[in-house]
Amino acid sequence: AQSVTQLDSHVSVSEGTPVLLRCNYSSSYSPSLFWYVQHPNKGLQLLLKYTSAATLVKGINGFEAEFKKSETSFHLTKPSAHMSDAAEYFCVVSLGDNDMRFGAGTRLTVKP
Amino acid sequence: DGGITQSPKYLFRKEGQNVTLSCEQNLNHDAMYWYRQDPGQGLRLIYYSQIVNDFQKGDIAEGYSVSREKKESFPLTVTSAQKNPTAFYLCASRRGNTQYFGPGTRLTVL
Repeated sequence: AQSVTQLDSHVSVSEGTPVLLRCNYSSSYSPSLFWYVQHPNKGLQLLLKYTSAATLVKGINGFEAEFKKSETSFHLTKPSAHMSDAAEYFCVVSLGDNDMRFGAGTRLTVKP
Repeated sequence: DGGITQSPKYLFRKEGQNVTLSCEQNLNHDAMYWYRQDPGQGLRLIYYSQIVNDFQKGDIAEGYSVSREKKESFPLTVTSAQKNPTAFYLCASRRGNTQYFGPGTRLTVL
C-alpha cells in the first residue's frame, strides 16, 4: 500500500529560526506530492506541489520542499519562521486524480 | 479558500436528525470531493464526483449521502445512520492534479 508518513506530530521553533517538517512517502513510482497548511478552523491552503519537474519546489510564504527519490522524502523547509507560520501542515501524496493520501499532520508552534 | 464556499461554518445537530452541509464552487471545476477531518488525523475521503449526476463512494461513505445536480454544487447529507458524525467537514474541487479546499463546516452532535 502506498502512503505518506509525517515524522513529527509537533514541531516547535523560535521566531527567526529555520523550520523543517519531515515527510516520507511510500510509492513504487514517482508520485505527485503536495504540502498544505491549515490554520485553526480553516480549510487547507496549497503551499507547494511536486509533479516530476524540478526536485526543489518553491512555494508561497517562503516555504520550499525537496523531492529526494532515493530517500522517498519530501521535507518542507523555511529559512526563518514567522509567528504567522504557526499552523497545521499536511503532506499529501496523489495516487491518482481521485485518490489523495493525507499524512496525519504536523503542528508547528512558533515561539516569540 | 478562494472560489469554494461552505455553509454553515458551525452546525449543531441532535442525535437522530439528518443534516445537510452545503458546498458551492465558482471555479468551473468538474470534480468535487467531501472529506472528514478528526483531531490528530489526516483527511479521509467520504464521496467524490467527477461530473454532474455522477458520484462515487470514498473510504468512509457509510452514513453519508450526496447529490450532484449542478456543476457548482455538491451537498453532503449526514444521516442518522452515521455513528459518530461530530467532525470537521471539508469540501474540495480539483483542477488538473491539484485539489482546492473550502473553509470547512464544523458539525457537532449534541
